[in-house]
Amino acid sequence: EAGVAQSPRYKIIEKRQSVAFWCNPISGHATLYWYQQILGQGPKLLIQFQNNGVVDDSQLPKDRFSAERLKGVDSTLKIQPAKLEDSAVYLCASSPRGGQGGGEAFFGQGTRLTVV
Amino acid sequence: AQSVTQPDIHITVSEGASLELRCNYSYGATPYLFWYVQSPGQGLQLLLKYFSGDTLVQGIKGFEAEFKRSQSSFNLRKPSVHWSDAAEYFCALYNNNDMRFGAGTRLTVKP
Repeated sequence: EAGVAQSPRYKIIEKRQSVAFWCNPISGHATLYWYQQILGQGPKLLIQFQNNGVVDDSQLPKDRFSAERLKGVDSTLKIQPAKLEDSAVYLCASSPRGGQGGGEAFFGQGTRLTVV
Repeated sequence: AQSVTQPDIHITVSEGASLELRCNYSYGATPYLFWYVQSPGQGLQLLLKYFSGDTLVQGIKGFEAEFKRSQSSFNLRKPSVHWSDAAEYFCALYNNNDMRFGAGTRLTVKP
């Protein structure tokens, strides 16, 4: 079974530029998460989708971050414009189910963003 | 509000020695608890999880964890550490669409 795919693996941009990350979850997984992991910290949830609907985006900085999951499969996360403090690893994860049932989340390898 | 605390930022153990990584949580009800491992440049891999039932859970790679409600803890253990266990370990708590991670504990294994 293929795992969660993310691209690119690495990205370096200048501040105020825009950037987009792509994630393809495990086939059949309804729930998709985007996490931000700053060096030395645990992952922080940015947004969670259930199929193509947003379940939780309370920690997403909506003035510069946006995400979509068209057709309930793959997803893109965009930052525009980027700030220095956005330098982090962006992890995508998927789960067979969300909600009160909980569920194991399977993670991609992440995209390491450096903003200079 | 739910939260996860991993008191140890960095732990060093000798190969073959036993290991215990601490995790404390704050949550009103019985939580869903997880331990993940992250090797350099890799995503997170699930080691084990606790939903209910037996408070001692077995995971992959010889890891186990014990849920102690009275102490609000979910410590990860391994009787004999291998050099390949060197990595970052994250404890996580899940409730109602919110997966909250601890800051992580970095494990170094000495030969």
